[in-house]
Amino acid sequence: AQSVTQLDSHVSVSEGTPVLLRCNYSSSYSPSLFWYVQHPNKGLQLLLKYTSAATLVKGINGFEAEFKKSETSFHLTKPSAHMSDAAEYFCVVREANFGNEKLTFGTGTRLTIIP
Amino acid sequence: GAGVSQSPRYKVAKRGQDVALRCDPISGHVSLFWYQQALGQGPEFLTYFQNEAQLDKSGLPSDRFFAERPEGSVSTLKIQRTQQEDSAVYLCASSLTGAFGYTFGSGTRLTVV
Repeated sequence: AQSVTQLDSHVSVSEGTPVLLRCNYSSSYSPSLFWYVQHPNKGLQLLLKYTSAATLVKGINGFEAEFKKSETSFHLTKPSAHMSDAAEYFCVVREANFGNEKLTFGTGTRLTIIP
Repeated sequence: GAGVSQSPRYKVAKRGQDVALRCDPISGHVSLFWYQQALGQGPEFLTYFQNEAQLDKSGLPSDRFFAERPEGSVSTLKIQRTQQEDSAVYLCASSLTGAFGYTFGSGTRLTVV
């Protein structure tokens, strides 16, 4: 079974400071992992994905995430926050067993940027 | 089209009414998914199609929920005899294969009054 836990429901950072959004996963098979962002009244946008290639994944808008199998973590980071980063972020897991296409979402982390 | 299109954008239904939500996936995308997102929650899986075949419907909450994709492109999610707990945003996503990621539509916000 696959599951994902986002450790913080809300994160607030000042503009220009680093961002860290934490995610732990559980999977019976080698997982694919994703981070999606959702701005108010907008659809989900893919930030980055890990699919068993390089463990450090770079995404759009300066975000990156590192897959750590030993810690079952996939934390999202950005060196310097921008006001436009304020949104809801979802960590997502998909087990790589044959025929499984189901995505399991975390409960989300709301990121607030302080001017 | 360039993205996944969902209609209507908003739907208000009286309790007991039937509703139909439409999803137009990206042209050529084989896989199509429906998710339900309650207020303040992450999306939850409802059902999945590969072409016209519904391969997984384990997330449909009751037999009032029905989805179809008869020609392997456009899909419709139908909810019969709507209840207040059906109020949510219904998201559609499509993909070529899972390895390439999934593209989500903007969703249909259903409010049952």
